[in-house]
Amino acid sequence: DIQMTQSPSSLSASVGDRVTITCRASQTISKYLNWYQQKPGKAPKLLIYSASNFQSGVPSRFSGRGSGTDFTLTINSLQPEDFATYYCQQSYITPYTFGQGTKLEIK
Amino acid sequence: QVQLVQSGPEVRKPGASVKVSCTASGYIFANFGITWVRQAPGQGLEWMGWVSPSNGDTNYAQKFRDRVSMTADTSTGTAYMELRTLTSDDSAIYYCARETDNEAAGPATFDYWGQGSLVTVSS
Repeated sequence: DIQMTQSPSSLSASVGDRVTITCRASQTISKYLNWYQQKPGKAPKLLIYSASNFQSGVPSRFSGRGSGTDFTLTINSLQPEDFATYYCQQSYITPYTFGQGTKLEIK
Repeated sequence: QVQLVQSGPEVRKPGASVKVSCTASGYIFANFGITWVRQAPGQGLEWMGWVSPSNGDTNYAQKFRDRVSMTADTSTGTAYMELRTLTSDDSAIYYCARETDNEAAGPATFDYWGQGSLVTVSS
């Protein structure tokens, strides 16, 4: 199975900050990397697909980059509604594994 | 609008089985795969498997292959996930999710999710 490793596991930031979350795959997954946001008690929400493409309705302050094994999710100018847990997920090969999550908290 | 509505919470004893449903609306059910993902309390997301409503094809994670069944009924627009021989480690929220029809996305990109079904396994 492909292991997905996110860093950091948790992150404290302030409204208006720029933050970057990293996701590393244990083997190459080309561009097949998705990012999801999950808020407490809610289902995950698709933000970015295929490493760098916005899902419809996602604010442009979110951006994704990377290919191969190394990927990043950047959030520019953090808004109060962005404090949540973020997961990466490889859609290259089954089983479609997720990272362990990055919890973004308010400083 | 696309909606996936899941069945309510379940409590089971160890060794029992549970069957969770996911009823879709707002799109042509047969045209999109349904995936099941679970999340143990305070933990991350775990992909369990996939079912094609159009032909019933399935693909299960090796971890669950011996005790999971995923099916879909196109007449009612409902997908089902049955998990057998439950243990306390199976206590989790179980989500269904629809695979996107966006051709630019990978095969396992999930654009709509159900609200989750809590399964508790306890003696």
